[in-house]
Amino acid sequence: DTEVTQTPKHLVMGMTNKKSLKCEQHMGHRAMYWYKQKAKKPPELMFVYSYEKLSINESVPSRFSPECPNSSLLNLHLHALQPEDSALYLCASSPRDPYEQYFGPGTRLTVT
Amino acid sequence: RKEVEQDPGPFNVPEGATVAFNCTYSNSASQSFFWYRQDCRKEPKLLMSVYSSGNEDGRFTAQLNRASQYISLLIRDSKLSDSATYLCVVNSRPTTDSWGKLQFGAGTQVVVTP
Repeated sequence: DTEVTQTPKHLVMGMTNKKSLKCEQHMGHRAMYWYKQKAKKPPELMFVYSYEKLSINESVPSRFSPECPNSSLLNLHLHALQPEDSALYLCASSPRDPYEQYFGPGTRLTVT
Repeated sequence: RKEVEQDPGPFNVPEGATVAFNCTYSNSASQSFFWYRQDCRKEPKLLMSVYSSGNEDGRFTAQLNRASQYISLLIRDSKLSDSATYLCVVNSRPTTDSWGKLQFGAGTQVVVTP
């Protein structure tokens, strides 16, 4: 079973709101990722967690804050976002970094 | 120069025909190669890993040419459901201390027509 789940599927938030995106996998994968994808562009890596430790932060603004509470869960905390942050946010997991990755269905975020 | 380059297409393919397209990568130290497919407004799904000897999965064949630094994907007997964007993904391992990260191409759009 190669399933990664993400909640919520859709999120609309104002620029002053605080919200969180959640990602879960039960495949025993030890690497988890957050990507941002704009329309007609490839996914853009934001963060990598390997064995529950943040290993890559691709110079993402601090209004995005990742958290890995355990090996199955990954959160992305959002605060004071800008309209240009509207995008599809994808979570992925991998048996180990940086081998084949399995993506969740994504959260479509709109910032108003 | 981008690390991974793809022809954006679209490749318009009649149903039942064969289509092939390539992806070039710039880092000769690249070690792992994958093809993903992505449907409109959906997540990328792993289609196949690409091995040095080439590999086949049903109607899909992937090849790796390390000398010329490209990988290819061939789809035989195209189905309407093959219409998607195909993403080429490459891992580079820049140093012995780093496992590198996956680099995504911008994708090749394939449109299969009845």
